[in-house]
Amino acid sequence: GENVEQHPSTLSVQEGDSAVIKCTYSDSASNYFPWYKQELGKRPQLIIDIRSNVGEKKDQRIAVTLNKTAKHFSLHITETQPEDSAVYFCAATDSSYKLIFGSGTRLLVRP
Amino acid sequence: KAGVTQTPRYLIKTRGQQVTLSCSPISGHRSVSWYQQTPGQGLQFLFEYFSETQRNKGNFPGRFSGRQFSNSRSEMNVSTLELGDSALYLCASSSTDGYGYTFGSGTRLTVV
Repeated sequence: GENVEQHPSTLSVQEGDSAVIKCTYSDSASNYFPWYKQELGKRPQLIIDIRSNVGEKKDQRIAVTLNKTAKHFSLHITETQPEDSAVYFCAATDSSYKLIFGSGTRLLVRP
Repeated sequence: KAGVTQTPRYLIKTRGQQVTLSCSPISGHRSVSWYQQTPGQGLQFLFEYFSETQRNKGNFPGRFSGRQFSNSRSEMNVSTLELGDSALYLCASSSTDGYGYTFGSGTRLTVV
């Protein structure tokens, strides 16, 4: 079955800097890659997603890139703000629509 | 429209007891997935239901079971509770195509 690895587990950046979180997946049949943000004590919220027929997608300060050949996808956050501090999860669906998550990245944006 | 609703929000149970958690998906969503979230293990996939059928299953023991009703509401049951079952249980619903899962607020289960 699908396996998703996520790095780094923790990331600390200065406000205004960029943050990059990377994930790899194992199932070449995976075709959907969402990213979720979970603030302390709250539910995971979908922030951006990408499908396998697209290489890059951008929404204001966040972007996701996908390299199908290498089975890598990444989340990029530019001009980070303190409210970006949270745990971020990547995920991938295999051909059976089972959504498998990475282990999460705790992002801390220092003011 | 209403989001994903999970009840109850909090539960305290004793080892050996059983528990049933409920999830009402977004109206029109037919797929419901369940996850166990613990600090050290992230979001672990339990199972997914679609049109009252279990379509996918994770690697959890048979003590964990679920079902889905004709209105797409889902329940999960954990029998013979163990201390290690203490976790936040999240459900998420999706429309037919399996994209864009929306999570509920979860049920925090504490086993003492």
